[in-house]
Amino acid sequence: SQELEQSPQSLIVQEGKNLTINCTSSKTLYGLYWYKQKYGEGLIFLMMLQKGGEEKSHEKITAKLDEKKQQSSLHITASQPSHAGIYLCGRGAYNTDKLIFGTGTRLQVFP
Amino acid sequence: GAVVSQHPSRVICKSGTSVKIECRSLDFQATTMFWYRQFPKQSLMLMATSNEGSKATYEQGVEKDKFLINHASLTLSTLTVTSAHPEDSSFYICSARRQLAVYEQYFGPGTRLTVT
Repeated sequence: SQELEQSPQSLIVQEGKNLTINCTSSKTLYGLYWYKQKYGEGLIFLMMLQKGGEEKSHEKITAKLDEKKQQSSLHITASQPSHAGIYLCGRGAYNTDKLIFGTGTRLQVFP
Repeated sequence: GAVVSQHPSRVICKSGTSVKIECRSLDFQATTMFWYRQFPKQSLMLMATSNEGSKATYEQGVEKDKFLINHASLTLSTLTVTSAHPEDSSFYICSARRQLAVYEQYFGPGTRLTVT
């Protein structure tokens, strides 16, 4: 099984709707990252969460970290077609500088 | 700042040939670069960690003799897929970590390799 499980695996929403993507770790989280990937392209860094309870926002995207539950959520408000892509959570591996990525969530936003 | 480029963006090669993919940090020095592989509709899988001036560290299950990694300078790492086979067809992405910035990784745009 994957160390980082994301849900849902895919999501299709209508423009203007809110949505939430979850990322659950089977191991202790030492920092949690969120990235976005457009189809067939590299990754765009969205934000990093380091402390339990931490919440960060960037434009219409908000991410929270629940350290006790080893879980993070990414919330998009009033989704737009530009939000479409693959969202990946990633966590640092203890005592290394490696990133381990989640299973990914494919988001489609239709007008 | 913090731009990472990859070359080529797409490559098609015949089975049995070797292909080299370059990863460059354009405006910063990267002591560490990472190589990932991504299959369709799947997440990124770390293949190896490349440190400037030393041998790469490969993840379990990755053949080091097949995927040769060289990190000869602080701005360039190369991945050579030797004796490529159709099952090596994939999307290869590199990332680079700035010197002294433990938590920051910047990703390249990826290289799509198709082996015929």
